[in-house]
Amino acid sequence: NAGVTQTPKFRILKIGQSMTLQCTQDMNHNYMYWYRQDPGMGLKLIYYSVGAGITDKGEVPNGYNVSRSTTEDFPLRLELAAPSQTSVYFCASIPTLSAGSYEQYFGPGTRLTVT
Amino acid sequence: KQEVTQIPAALSVPEGENLVLNCSFTDSAIYNLQWFRQDPGKGLTSLLLIQSSQREQTSGRLNASLDKSSGRSTLYIAASQPGDSATYLCAALAGGTSYGKLTFGQGTILTVHP
Repeated sequence: NAGVTQTPKFRILKIGQSMTLQCTQDMNHNYMYWYRQDPGMGLKLIYYSVGAGITDKGEVPNGYNVSRSTTEDFPLRLELAAPSQTSVYFCASIPTLSAGSYEQYFGPGTRLTVT
Repeated sequence: KQEVTQIPAALSVPEGENLVLNCSFTDSAIYNLQWFRQDPGKGLTSLLLIQSSQREQTSGRLNASLDKSSGRSTLYIAASQPGDSATYLCAALAGGTSYGKLTFGQGTILTVHP
C-alpha cells in the first residue's frame, strides 16, 4: 500500500490564483481530513469527510472548499489564494469508527507559498 | 473546546540523558491521545497511541503515559540520541461523536547534542 499520498509537494501561487491540492489513500479508509500547519505551530483542522459525498467544516475552513466523490480521493480547493494561506497542508485518514484504534495516517504534506 | 498545551516549547539535552515531554489537555473526555514525531520539513510519524482505558504504552526507548483525571500525558525518552532530535507533537482525540478529529499541541522542539 502507498498509504496517503499528496500532490504537489511544493507550490508557489500568486495572490488571487486558484489551485487544488490532491490527496489519495489506498487503504479503503472512510474518514479523511485536511490540516494546515503554520510555522512553529501545531496542526489545525480545515475540513473532514466521513465518507464519499459527506464533508464538514473543521476549525479553519474559510477560503477553502472540498469534495469527496470517491472513497480514495479528497481534494482541497483554494479559490482565491491569500498570503494568509501560506502554510504546509497535510491530509490524513483513519479506518471506520468500528476499527477501534482511531490512529490517523498522514500524507507527506504540500508546502504552499502565496505571494 | 479542547485545548492542548505542550511544555517545554524547546528542550536541549546532551546525548544519553533521559527526558520527559509534557502534554496537557483541557477536556478529559478524550478517546485517545497520540504522540507524533516531525523532522524538519517532513511529515508526521506516529510514535505511540494510548487509548483512554490505558495508562501507558511503550515502544523501544519511548514510554507514553496518560492520566485523564488530571488532563496530562507524558512522553519519556530513555538514553536520548542525536537521532531523536525532532519536534514532538501530541494530539488528543475527543470522545463522543467527534468523527476522529484531533486537537494538536504546538509541539516541543528537542535537540540532543552529541
